Amino acid sequence: NAGVTQTPKFQVLKTGQSMTLQCAQDMNHEYMSWYRQDPGMGLRLIHYSVGAGITDQGEVPNGYNVSRSTTEDFPLRLLSAAPSQTSVYFCASSLTKTNTGELFFGEGSRLTVL
Amino acid sequence: AQKVTQAQTEISVVEKEDVTLDCVYETRDTTYYLFWYKQPPSGELVFLIRRNSFDEQNEISGRYSWNFQKSTSSFNFTITASQVVDSAVYFCALSDFYNQGGKLIFGQGTELSVKP
Repeated sequence: NAGVTQTPKFQVLKTGQSMTLQCAQDMNHEYMSWYRQDPGMGLRLIHYSVGAGITDQGEVPNGYNVSRSTTEDFPLRLLSAAPSQTSVYFCASSLTKTNTGELFFGEGSRLTVL
Repeated sequence: AQKVTQAQTEISVVEKEDVTLDCVYETRDTTYYLFWYKQPPSGELVFLIRRNSFDEQNEISGRYSWNFQKSTSSFNFTITASQVVDSAVYFCALSDFYNQGGKLIFGQGTELSVKP
């Protein structure tokens, strides 16, 4: 059971470039979300989805785009990378409200924008 | 607005000492969940516990214990007889009762260093 898989694990971009962080889960979880982790700020929610075809903004959505065409996949797109987007990104998934509420996290993707 | 505060940025202890990590939260909801996650040096996030706002009983799991006090909006985490393997960043987090979309509000994290 792979759980939550994120790719790539490391990426270096130049300012203005675009890229997509991939996230896939094989647990048939309805909920998926993206967080970014910055020193001294904990994890902050970027976007989340409660099911296929449904997405919504979190705390820090600017500069990011998401879509949820299938239950399994939830890619995060950086439209025009900026140095402020240098961070570690985590994708997470969870079952619906009837479960324990535990988020299952991917291993993280470290992005550096020069 | 919801908020989680972990005032202790870094804590350093010697092995076998007991250590308490503080977590204070703010929410207007009457029902909610509180969580603790561990992030070891390898970087992954490990779920430790979830507590709902209805249940103020203390929880013990081996060397780990949690003290939830609704009256002071605190959910503190104690490690008894700490070990080097406990060295990690620990996050406290808050969600609404239905946890729609897996939305958690995280604290800033406390970095625990346990020295031999």
